[in-house]
Amino acid sequence: RKEVEQDPGPFNVPEGATVAFNCTYSNSASQSFFWYRQDCRKEPKLLMSVYSSGNEDGRFTAQLNRASQYISLLIRDSKLSDSATYLCVVNSGAGSYQLTFGKGTKLSVIP
Amino acid sequence: ETGVTQTPRHLVMGMTNKKSLKCEQHLGHNAMYWYKQSAKKPLELMFVYSLEERVENNSVPSRFSPECPNSSHLFLHLHTLQPEDSALYLCASSQEWQGTGELFFGEGSRLTVL
Repeated sequence: RKEVEQDPGPFNVPEGATVAFNCTYSNSASQSFFWYRQDCRKEPKLLMSVYSSGNEDGRFTAQLNRASQYISLLIRDSKLSDSATYLCVVNSGAGSYQLTFGKGTKLSVIP
Repeated sequence: ETGVTQTPRHLVMGMTNKKSLKCEQHLGHNAMYWYKQSAKKPLELMFVYSLEERVENNSVPSRFSPECPNSSHLFLHLHTLQPEDSALYLCASSQEWQGTGELFFGEGSRLTVL
C-alpha cells in the first residue's frame, strides 16, 4: 500500500462549483497533516494544515479522520485561480524532514 | 518573491559531465532539503541537513553528492548521471522542531541528462 494515496484526477469543474479531494495514508503513527498547492511549473506551497477538529480558511475546508486514516479538502465556489495540483502531505515524526507527499490531485477550473 | 533561490533554473548535461546545483535561503531557517520531482511520482526526499549536519540520506545513488557549508547554502553536486535522473530538483528550508510541517521551496532546477 502506498504511504500517501490520492486520486490523481484531473478534476475539471466549472467556476463556482464545489469540489472535494480525498487522501489516505498508511502510517497510523502519523502526527500531522497538510495540504500543499503546486501551480503548473512552480514550486509547492503550504495551503493549510489539517487539524483533528477540522479547520476552515475562507473557501477551503480540511478534515481529518484518524480512525480511517483519511484526509479531505473541500473547495467551495471554485475560482479560475484555484487551478493547480493539490498535494496531500503527512508528517510521521516531529521534524519537518519526515514529511511524505502524495502524488497530487490536479484541478482545472473551467470558465 | 521566494525566500529560497535556486540556480541554475535549467540545466542540460551529458552523462560524463560534472555540474552543481546551488540553493540559498534567506529565511533564517536551520534545516535544508533536496527533493526530486519526476513526472507522475510523488516528491522524493533525497537529503536533509539540520543545523548543517546531514540527518537523512534516503539511499540516494552516490552520483549525487550534497554539501552544506552553512545554514543558508546547500549544493547538490552531480556526476556521471543517467537519463533517468532527469527531473525537477527542488530545494527547501524549514525551521526545525517547530512541528509546523511548513517547507519553503525554491522554484527548482530542471535537469535534463542526455
